[in-house]
Amino acid sequence: DGGITQSPKYLFRKEGQNVTLSCEQNLNHDAMYWYRQDPGQGLRLIYYSQIVNDFQKGDIAEGYSVSREKKESFPLTVTSAQKNPTAFYLCASNHQGANTEAFFGQGTRLTVV
Amino acid sequence: AQKVTQAQTEISVVEKEDVTLDCVYETRDTTYYLFWYKQPPSGELVFLIRRNSFDEQNEISGRYSWNFQKSTSSFNFTITASQVVDSAVYFCALRWGSARQLTFGSGTQLTVLP
Repeated sequence: DGGITQSPKYLFRKEGQNVTLSCEQNLNHDAMYWYRQDPGQGLRLIYYSQIVNDFQKGDIAEGYSVSREKKESFPLTVTSAQKNPTAFYLCASNHQGANTEAFFGQGTRLTVV
Repeated sequence: AQKVTQAQTEISVVEKEDVTLDCVYETRDTTYYLFWYKQPPSGELVFLIRRNSFDEQNEISGRYSWNFQKSTSSFNFTITASQVVDSAVYFCALRWGSARQLTFGSGTQLTVLP
């Protein structure tokens, strides 16, 4: 079945560690996104990519990094520079075009221990 | 500035009641798109509807209906005869002009009690 797969579902990070969240899609979508969700808040955009080897910062990119080496994959690294990384992270993708809906993965819940 | 406001943080209803979730948006663009998503406890956002700024027709899909009014910048969502399975967080979102990303409201937690 086509869709977006995020892994792992739960992730625990020690202070000062970098961790990488995986996002893979087999929908042949050009655009991919990473959002962060905090309790009681909406989703905020971290990074997005419209084509391979190109990506742009979103509203809260500090402390995060991404790569887009393949169309299907858009991993997110949460670096030690991110001071408050505990959150729910959602990956999304859509076809090019502003009128297309985005499809979301099931999310990764990151906790700093 | 682009902004989406969902003033209702939490709503509780008893099964079979009708419920309306409010969404107010702000944008300077004349071309924009509005979306509603459902987030069940599993966490994944499920797409419900898309509406573009040139189409003010209301839409009904089963127990769901949407009322888009440009005059008041609102895109409200009504669930008729609510069911326990409707319990979720509902997000309204905006995509404007040539932008690719979505701007989300803060969401409304709907609880339907049996």
